[in-house]
Amino acid sequence: NAGVMQNPRHLVRRRGQEARLRCSPMKGHSHVYWYRQLPEEGLKFMVYLQKENIIDESGMPKERFSAEFPKEGPSILRIQQVVRGDSAAYFCASSLLDRDTQYFGPGTRLTVL
Amino acid sequence: SQQGEEDPQALSIQEGENATMNCSYKTSINNLQWYRQNSGRGLVHLILIRSNEREKHSGRLRVTLDTSKKSSSLLITASRAADTASYFCATDGGASYGKLTFGQGTILTVHP
Repeated sequence: NAGVMQNPRHLVRRRGQEARLRCSPMKGHSHVYWYRQLPEEGLKFMVYLQKENIIDESGMPKERFSAEFPKEGPSILRIQQVVRGDSAAYFCASSLLDRDTQYFGPGTRLTVL
Repeated sequence: SQQGEEDPQALSIQEGENATMNCSYKTSINNLQWYRQNSGRGLVHLILIRSNEREKHSGRLRVTLDTSKKSSSLLITASRAADTASYFCATDGGASYGKLTFGQGTILTVHP
């Protein structure tokens, strides 16, 4: 039973480009969470999605950031017109039920030049 | 202090010793989870303890929860060099779903 998959593992973008991060939850999990970790800090919640629905995006910047979890395929976190401050590790987690154990992927490390 | 704050920030011990890390939080919770993160890697889930539980064990790990003091502790017994990592507690803030709030973490170094 494969764990949470994220790709790419490392992503380098120049300022102004778009970054697209993918997350495939564990088999059978329909709850997906995205978190961001800045250097030397803990994780910060960004967005919570269930299939085809955004449940809570209170941690996501209002501009340039968007997330989706389509009926088929992985969850996508999209960052448009990246800036240096977007450089961080982005982690996806999934759970079978809400308020249940969240299993994390290996993360995508975004570097903006 | 912020929700899910760990103490100490850093802990250095010798192999074979026990390591205790504490976590304090502010709001009510449904559950509290402990995670481990090796440098530059993803998070590994260690234990979930529910608000109606006081203690939980998993191998060399023991977690306690005191909801009256809004605190939890993680004890690692007979530590090994491989236990060297950052340890985070995460709370759900009593939310109707599992949005987690993480602390800054405790950096544990176990010297061989």
